[in-house]
Amino acid sequence: DADVTQTPRNRITKTGKRIMLECSQTKGHDRMYWYRQDPGLGLRLIYYSFDVKDINKGEISDGYSVSRQAQAKFSLSLESAIPNQTALYFCATSTGTGGTDTQYFGPGTRLTVL
Amino acid sequence: AQSVTQLGSHVSVSEGALVLLRCNYSSSVPPYLFWYVQYPNQGLQLLLKYTSAATLVKGINGFEAEFKKSETSFHLTKPSAHMSDAAEYFCAVSNTGTASKLTFGTGTRLQVTL
Repeated sequence: DADVTQTPRNRITKTGKRIMLECSQTKGHDRMYWYRQDPGLGLRLIYYSFDVKDINKGEISDGYSVSRQAQAKFSLSLESAIPNQTALYFCATSTGTGGTDTQYFGPGTRLTVL
Repeated sequence: AQSVTQLGSHVSVSEGALVLLRCNYSSSVPPYLFWYVQYPNQGLQLLLKYTSAATLVKGINGFEAEFKKSETSFHLTKPSAHMSDAAEYFCAVSNTGTASKLTFGTGTRLQVTL
C-alpha cells in the first residue's frame, strides 16, 4: 500500500464550488505539506503543518484553507473554486529533523475548474 | 530568500549519451540541495541530496550531482542515459533557517531517444 495517498485523484468542478482534497499518510511523519504544480512553474508551497496544532501559510495560500485532523490527515479546501486554481496538487510528508529532510509525495490530484 | 534556477525546460539526449541537467542556487546561508524526479502520472521521489557532507553526491539509478560553492551550482549527471530515465527533474533548495521547507525550480523535462 502507498505511504501517502490522495483522494480524489481527478476532479472536475465548476467555478464557485467548494472543493476538498484529502491526504492521508502511514509513514508516521509529523510534517505535512500541500503544493500545486503548474506547467513551467514547478511546485509551489500552499500550506504546511509541522504538527496537528501548527499550521503555516506557504507562498501561495490565498484562496485556500487547510485542516490537520490528525497526525495522519491533512486536507486542502478551496472555498470558492476559480479557473486559475486548475492545477496538479500534491501532498507530501517529512520526518521533521530539519533542512535535510526528505519529502515523500503522494500521487497527486488533478483538479480542473470550469 | 532562497531560490533555484534550472537552465533548460526541455533536454533531449540519445540513449547511451551523457545526461546533464543544470541547477544553480541562490541562498544567503549554506544550502541543502535536492534533486527530485517525477515519472509520468506519478508524484515526486528523491534522487539525491546534498547535506554538506561530501560535495559529490550519488543517488539512485546511476545519477550523481556535484555541489560547487564557487559556481553556486548543483548539476545532475548520469554517464549513460536509458529510456527509463525519461521524466521531469526538479532541483530544490532548503536550509536550516527554513526547517525543511523546500523551494523548487521550474523543472527540466528529459527526453531520451533511440
